Amino acid sequence: GAVVSQHPSRVICKSGTSVKIECRSLDFQATTMFWYRQFPKQSLMLMATSNEGSKATYEQGVEKDKFLINHASLTLSTLTVTSAHPEDSSFYICSARGLAGRNTDTQYFGPGTRLTVL
Amino acid sequence: AQSVTQLGSHVSVSEGALVLLRCNYSSSVPPYLFWYVQYPNQGLQLLLKYTSAATLVKGINGFEAEFKKSETSFHLTKPSAHMSDAAEYFCAVSEEGFQKLVFGTGTRLLVSP
Repeated sequence: GAVVSQHPSRVICKSGTSVKIECRSLDFQATTMFWYRQFPKQSLMLMATSNEGSKATYEQGVEKDKFLINHASLTLSTLTVTSAHPEDSSFYICSARGLAGRNTDTQYFGPGTRLTVL
Repeated sequence: AQSVTQLGSHVSVSEGALVLLRCNYSSSVPPYLFWYVQYPNQGLQLLLKYTSAATLVKGINGFEAEFKKSETSFHLTKPSAHMSDAAEYFCAVSEEGFQKLVFGTGTRLLVSP
């Protein structure tokens, strides 16, 4: 149980284009989803917290107009990187925290999406 | 503000040897502590968590960790390393409410034959 998927696993795009990454909780409902960014050989940095049906809360220094987050249902959150540039190339990982029961105190992570902007 | 310190960016052990990965935390309130493992190009998998119940926590793959409030530590151990344990390990702390996780910088475990 507590499986989180991400799609796509890997994406290469041209500079200036937009890329959408999906995060789904497959076997539980997630009131809260988190988006992280991880640079090579570094730790995870929280970008934003997404609550179902409300606006995302962005961490300091993260541009909300560049990283659009939508959490339209209890099982799906999307991150759109708008007008991507090479410096946006990174490993993006989402996590989900459950609605009830044993899933409420733990974040379960997706497998990550490797974004490369040419 | 909460923080996590993982001593040693790399730890090398021989197969069959004891694994000890260190984690110290700083928190103004009773913390909730987690260990995650990350294999190359993958997301994070939960190994174990401490959420104010038993101080000795057993996790998957033979790992365990002990919460020591007096030492503000939550070190991860495994009695006998396997080659498959080679990965990056992250310690994380969260306040009650679980809205945010603060991660340490990670420790890469290397296991030699």
